[in-house]
Amino acid sequence: DVKVTQSSRYLVKRTGEKVFLECVQDMDHENMFWYRQDPGLGLRLIYFSYDVKMKEKGDIPEGYSVSREKKERFSLILESASTNQTSMYLCASSLGPWGLRTGANVLTFGAGSRLTVL
Amino acid sequence: DAKTTQPPSMDCAEGRAANLPCNHSTISGNEYVYWYRQIHSQGPQYIIHGLKNNETNEMASLIITEDRKSSTLILPHATLRDTAVYYCIVLASSSNTGKLIFGQGTTLQVKP
Repeated sequence: DVKVTQSSRYLVKRTGEKVFLECVQDMDHENMFWYRQDPGLGLRLIYFSYDVKMKEKGDIPEGYSVSREKKERFSLILESASTNQTSMYLCASSLGPWGLRTGANVLTFGAGSRLTVL
Repeated sequence: DAKTTQPPSMDCAEGRAANLPCNHSTISGNEYVYWYRQIHSQGPQYIIHGLKNNETNEMASLIITEDRKSSTLILPHATLRDTAVYYCIVLASSSNTGKLIFGQGTTLQVKP
């Protein structure tokens, strides 16, 4: 069964700490995404990557950076965590252009990482 | 990408069909309709997608109107485990990135 694995289910960090959220997929997908989800605001796209070393900003990139050194791994980095970054973070992956052309643009999500910044 | 409109919440009796509507009146010819759901504290899960024709899989059926301006997701025999937030999303096959924009979705409550 295809899988997207997020390294930590729950994290508690202090304000100002550097935080790494790791995501690994085993489906050989080109696209990977980081969303955050907050009550009343739904899922919002932070960053996405359509190839190794490629990245594009989503709707709310401020305060975040990403890294994709290998196809299967996409990391979200909070350089200096703040309390307003307390949230559920969701990683997802999908096929690239082939999937899009055939309409099979199915996102597979990880279970999520709940981050609390104190 | 076309915007979608869904009712914020719906109830359904266990064992009955749940019909979740979605309006996408500005959809263009190359945009697919995707449905996802999110059970509490889990990541969203793909359900089904379609372009023009009605689609059915082991989870649900998708009915798309002839003018493609609206669609309905049907869960034929809802169970308590189908209680979730359901998202209707449209995305063009010509999209460069495949990124999905999630709205607020419909919270479906299946009641015993």
